[in-house]
Amino acid sequence: EDQVTQSPEALRLQEGESSSLNCSYTVSGLRGLFWYRQDPGKGPEFLFTLYSAGEEKEKERLKATLTKKESFLHITAPKPEDSATYLCAVQGGSIAKTSGSRLTFGEGTQLTVNP
Amino acid sequence: GAVVSQHPSWVICKSGTSVKIECRSLDFQATTMFWYRQFPKQSLMLMATSNEGSKATYEQGVEKDKFLINHASLTLSTLTVTSAHPEDSSFYICSALPSGQGFNYGYTFGSGTRLTVV
Repeated sequence: EDQVTQSPEALRLQEGESSSLNCSYTVSGLRGLFWYRQDPGKGPEFLFTLYSAGEEKEKERLKATLTKKESFLHITAPKPEDSATYLCAVQGGSIAKTSGSRLTFGEGTQLTVNP
Repeated sequence: GAVVSQHPSWVICKSGTSVKIECRSLDFQATTMFWYRQFPKQSLMLMATSNEGSKATYEQGVEKDKFLINHASLTLSTLTVTSAHPEDSSFYICSALPSGQGFNYGYTFGSGTRLTVV
């Protein structure tokens, strides 16, 4: 069974204070690791897909990295508008075709950036 | 980019009544759509996988007679909560993966439906 654990549960930063969010995972045959941002009362917004260990992707102040056991979401010089819950999800490839398309989500990290 | 429209964004209903939630892919076809449920300060829990033209696949513990899913076309899936009770109050979200694009743009999610049963 695929499992995703995110830490910390909550993180408070001052504007400009860089930090990292962690996503540890176990999966049979990783097909993709996804990072999403979710604002209160909204659906998740896609950020990145990572496919293999060593891969990195960047978007504005965010950078996602991947190893064989975990992924990090690095936030450089965050701004208050970066406040949101960040979700990590994996898709494994070991099960039946239909259920093999499912995502397994972590519990998320609630990020608050104070001005 | 791919857009999934979910309607309504919020609904209040009386206990014992049924509520239908629609999920439409606006600019792509979706053979498969997914329905999630999210409780406050918790992550997304997959309820069922909706397949166009066939029966939905429900996750363990999800009552298929209570949460009816219909995926009648390549752009529309509906979730009907039948005989709703207060414990069904939650945030329901659908998602789809645009075909032919791999995972480069991820799964697209709807904006969610806040259901409150009184």
